Amino acid sequence: NAGVTQTPKFQVLKTGQSMTLQCAQDMNHNSMYWYRQDPGMGLRLIYYSASEGTTDKGEVPNGYNVSRLNKREFSLRLESAAPSQTSVYFCASRGVPGETQYFGPGTRLLVL
Amino acid sequence: QKEVEQNSGPLSVPEGAIASLNCTYSDRGSQSFFWYRQYSGKSPELIMFIYSNGDKEDGRFTAQLNKASQYVSLLIRDSQPSDSATYLCAVRVGDMRFGAGTRLTVKP
Repeated sequence: NAGVTQTPKFQVLKTGQSMTLQCAQDMNHNSMYWYRQDPGMGLRLIYYSASEGTTDKGEVPNGYNVSRLNKREFSLRLESAAPSQTSVYFCASRGVPGETQYFGPGTRLLVL
Repeated sequence: QKEVEQNSGPLSVPEGAIASLNCTYSDRGSQSFFWYRQYSGKSPELIMFIYSNGDKEDGRFTAQLNKASQYVSLLIRDSQPSDSATYLCAVRVGDMRFGAGTRLTVKP
């Protein structure tokens, strides 16, 4: 099992460019999450998907969109990147309610 | 007030000592509590979770929960240099909310 995988690992964008961060899990988990991690801020939830076909906003959704493509895949899209979106992005998944989340390796994004 | 608060550290302890990491949370409806370890440049990994008041032990790690005081802690006994990392406290009340983390350094 690969667990949770993310692509790309690193990305540099110019302000205004768009990109999609990909996430996939092979643990048959229902719930998937996107977080960003900034120094001194901890992990902040951007969007989550409780099950296939549903998505909900988290704490910091502005500037992002998501797609739950199927049970395995959950993508995060930046339509017009801004320097404030420079961060490390983590995808996570969870099985049954109450269980812990398992994190992917992260995507380091720099917006110039 | 942040929902989950941790001392950012750094916390420095000598090898073999007990490291004590603390976390407070604001929502009394919080249902479950997690400690994650994050090495520099890596993703968080779960160390322990606790749901009920009291202590929960797993090897060198002990999680302590006091819901009345809205306080959760992690004790690491016989600290090793390999324990040097940032420790994230997380609280579930609906969504998972994370603290900013405490950086721990264990000196040989």
